[in-house]
Amino acid sequence: AQSVAQPEDQVNVAEGNPLTVKCTYSVSGNPYLFWYVQYPNRGLQFLLKYITGDNLVKGSYGFEAEFNKSQTSFHLKKPSALVSDSALYFCAVRDINGGYQKVTFGIGTKLQVIP
Amino acid sequence: DGGITQSPKYLFRKEGQNVTLSCEQNLNHDAMYWYRQDPGQGLRLIYYSQIVNDFQKGDIAEGYSVSREKKESFPLTVTSAQKNPTAFYLCASRETGANTEAFFGQGTRLTVV
Repeated sequence: AQSVAQPEDQVNVAEGNPLTVKCTYSVSGNPYLFWYVQYPNRGLQFLLKYITGDNLVKGSYGFEAEFNKSQTSFHLKKPSALVSDSALYFCAVRDINGGYQKVTFGIGTKLQVIP
Repeated sequence: DGGITQSPKYLFRKEGQNVTLSCEQNLNHDAMYWYRQDPGQGLRLIYYSQIVNDFQKGDIAEGYSVSREKKESFPLTVTSAQKNPTAFYLCASRETGANTEAFFGQGTRLTVV
């Protein structure tokens, strides 16, 4: 069975500092990995995905994520945090061997950027 | 504009009533999904559909029902059998293919009163 872990319920970072939101995964085969962001009382918005190729993936709003196969991680990063980045972030994984390509979401990490 | 629309945004239900949440998309996506979101539990899959007239149970289907009579529409009914229906419900769609991302609606917040 596939799974995703987001070990931090909340991450606090000062505006202008780099941020990292952690994600580790477990799948039986090769993973497809996704990051989404959710603002209060809204749906999720897609940020970026890893399919294959370069381990560093660049996405929307200046976010990037690094795929590390040996550590089974896909941490979300941004060089300089903005107050407007404060939101709930979800990591998700899809095992390409799944019968219906099921996607599993983590429980979310709340990012708080402090002015 | 292309997108996925959920209605209503807020819904109140009396105990023992069935209610139906609407989800419509004009993205021409084959696959559609319903998730339930509770604080601290992330997103849990209720039902999904990969094609018209076909749908499958997800991880927490008990007390819910769906239909997929049209490609654009995937309504979710929360029945009286669902013992704890108060939650935020999210509908999503995506193109068929393992590497495609999902597009989400804005959600419906259901409260039992």
